[in-house]
Amino acid sequence: AQKITQTQPGMFVQEKEAVTLDCTYDTSDQSYGLFWYKQPSSGEMIFLIYQGSYDEQNATEGRYSLNFQKARKSANLVISASQLGDSAMYFCAMREATDKLIFGTGTRLQVFP
Amino acid sequence: DTGVSQNPRHKITKRGQNVTFRCDPISEHNRLYWYRQTLGQGPEFLTYFQNEAQLEKSRLLSDRFSAERPKGSFSTLEIQRTEQGDSAMYLCASSPFRSSGRTDTQYFGPGTRLTVL
Repeated sequence: AQKITQTQPGMFVQEKEAVTLDCTYDTSDQSYGLFWYKQPSSGEMIFLIYQGSYDEQNATEGRYSLNFQKARKSANLVISASQLGDSAMYFCAMREATDKLIFGTGTRLQVFP
Repeated sequence: DTGVSQNPRHKITKRGQNVTFRCDPISEHNRLYWYRQTLGQGPEFLTYFQNEAQLEKSRLLSDRFSAERPKGSFSTLEIQRTEQGDSAMYLCASSPFRSSGRTDTQYFGPGTRLTVL
């Protein structure tokens, strides 16, 4: 069965430092997509970055980059130059052939001054 | 505002009552999804539509749940005879129809938080 695992319930990072949030996935599909979403306390899921299973380059979006290691089935999110506004829950998700997203349990990131 | 909108944002109801939530997707997005998120968990898929057709329903969607998208635009999610276990955040997302084999991102609304007393 398809599954997303986020092993870090919480992470702390100092402002302006980089942080890596871990995500591993399990699927038997050859074609799939991996996403990261940010969920502030307001509740809305905000799309951050996408990586396709056939993409050879790691995805980048501004301060966000995705460290995709296909053989290890990992898709870690790297946030560079952390800001106080980055404090939120972060969810890794996988989109499979049926189009639905499967989410992990999330990592709560807290950025301190 | 071109984002996904959901109404109401909060709903408190008594056990046994019926509730209905509405989702307005991003204009021209063919696909619309419903998810449920309980405290401390990631969202779980409930159902999705392509235009007005409901293409998949999760086993989480019991007979008390029904979703519609009558004209392929907005969607409603109704829960009949609510139970305390239905308390959760109900999230709606939309995406354009997949084209050229590319995966399309799902964009989420702010959610409707349901509390069943």
